[in-house]
Amino acid sequence: GNSVTQMEGPVTLSEEAFLTINCTYTATGYPSLFWYVQYPGEGLQLLLKATKADDKGSNKGFEATYRKETTSFHLEKGSVQVSDSAVYFCALSDRQGNNDMRFGAGTRLTVKP
Amino acid sequence: DGGITQSPKYLFRKEGQNVTLSCEQNLNHDAMYWYRQDPGQGLRLIYYSQIVNDFQKGDIAEGYSVSREKKESFPLTVTSAQKNPTAFYLCASSIPSGAGQPQHFGDGTRLSIL
Repeated sequence: GNSVTQMEGPVTLSEEAFLTINCTYTATGYPSLFWYVQYPGEGLQLLLKATKADDKGSNKGFEATYRKETTSFHLEKGSVQVSDSAVYFCALSDRQGNNDMRFGAGTRLTVKP
Repeated sequence: DGGITQSPKYLFRKEGQNVTLSCEQNLNHDAMYWYRQDPGQGLRLIYYSQIVNDFQKGDIAEGYSVSREKKESFPLTVTSAQKNPTAFYLCASSIPSGAGQPQHFGDGTRLSIL
């Protein structure tokens, strides 16, 4: 079945550091890929998405590129801020069937001033 | 603004009780989902519904029940058969399947056992 594996946390960075959170996936067919962010006590918010190979999703300085050859969708940001502290989830959704979405375990990011 | 409303934000259950978590959306989405989130873990699918009056079990449906009588509403009942109900519950919705569309989430309900 479909699955997502993402980098274990927690990740602690200083403000303005470069961020990478690794995500790889296993899927039959051609899934859509997503990054969600969760702030304490809240639900998940869509951060960015990519629907086909070589697509780059971007939002709020975050980027991720859909790499079919390496089955990866790594999240990057060039300069993190304290306000980026949250839990980040990588997810995939099969284009067929019931839009069943599979999530990674989440990576907690803490950014220190 | 369109969105998903979950209530209550915090809920407490006594042993042997059933409790119902509310989820309402005004996004005009056909599909709705319930997930369970445990500390340090990803989301696990409990139930989903693609259309009114129809729903399917997810990966961890035992001890839970749902109904879908209206497009806007998808309540989840945590029954006394669920032996470890303490968790954060998230409701989501999306446009119909086949397009790999993102799901939109509510702010969750945290359920605890007294």
